[in-house]
Amino acid sequence: AQSVTQLDSHVSVSEGTPVLLRCNYSSSYSPSLFWYVQHPNKGLQLLLKYTSAATLVKGINGFEAEFKKSETSFHLTKPSAHMSDAAEYFCVVTSYAGKSTFGDGTTLTVKP
Amino acid sequence: DADVTQTPRNRITKTGKRIMLECSQTKGHDRMYWYRQDPGLGLRLIYYSFDVKDINKGEISDGYSVSRQAQAKFSLSLESAIPNQTALYFCATSDRPVPGLAMGGDTQYFGPGTRLTVL
Repeated sequence: AQSVTQLDSHVSVSEGTPVLLRCNYSSSYSPSLFWYVQHPNKGLQLLLKYTSAATLVKGINGFEAEFKKSETSFHLTKPSAHMSDAAEYFCVVTSYAGKSTFGDGTTLTVKP
Repeated sequence: DADVTQTPRNRITKTGKRIMLECSQTKGHDRMYWYRQDPGLGLRLIYYSFDVKDINKGEISDGYSVSRQAQAKFSLSLESAIPNQTALYFCATSDRPVPGLAMGGDTQYFGPGTRLTVL
């Protein structure tokens, strides 16, 4: 069994300040972990993924995430928010068998 | 051209009607998925298929059926649509994970979505 909890349904930051979107997961095996972004009226786009290599994963648009097995967390960060980062973000855990469980999403608002 | 396409992009229908949503992909992936998205609930898996002869129910398959006509095509049908099936529907594809390289599943690639409204 696996599950994902995104700890904040909404996050609001000012442009130029850091972004932190939190994700905890549970799994009875070693899964792959992903962050996807969904802009309004768009499909989902992969930001980054953790499979089995380095625990600090770098993605597109300056985002990165750190896999912490002891804390079962995979938080998404960015040093400086941009207006174009405003979107909904999903943390996803996927088993080797290919089944994915999505978090409920975090809506990021970026204020000018 | 988009790698994963969905038709139609928008559909309004009435209760009791049969509806088919279609998905095509040019990525050459074996695995295909159908999800629905409701506000505040993330994406929930309806059905998934790991090859043409392998189709499996997801967590919310009641009221839905699927057909995998070819490696590249995966259709979702609502046999008798009801208003609580109003949602945004996404098709996705993925490759098989490489043994020894990835512990879990591979990246999923999503279509643009179909917005379905059932009146």
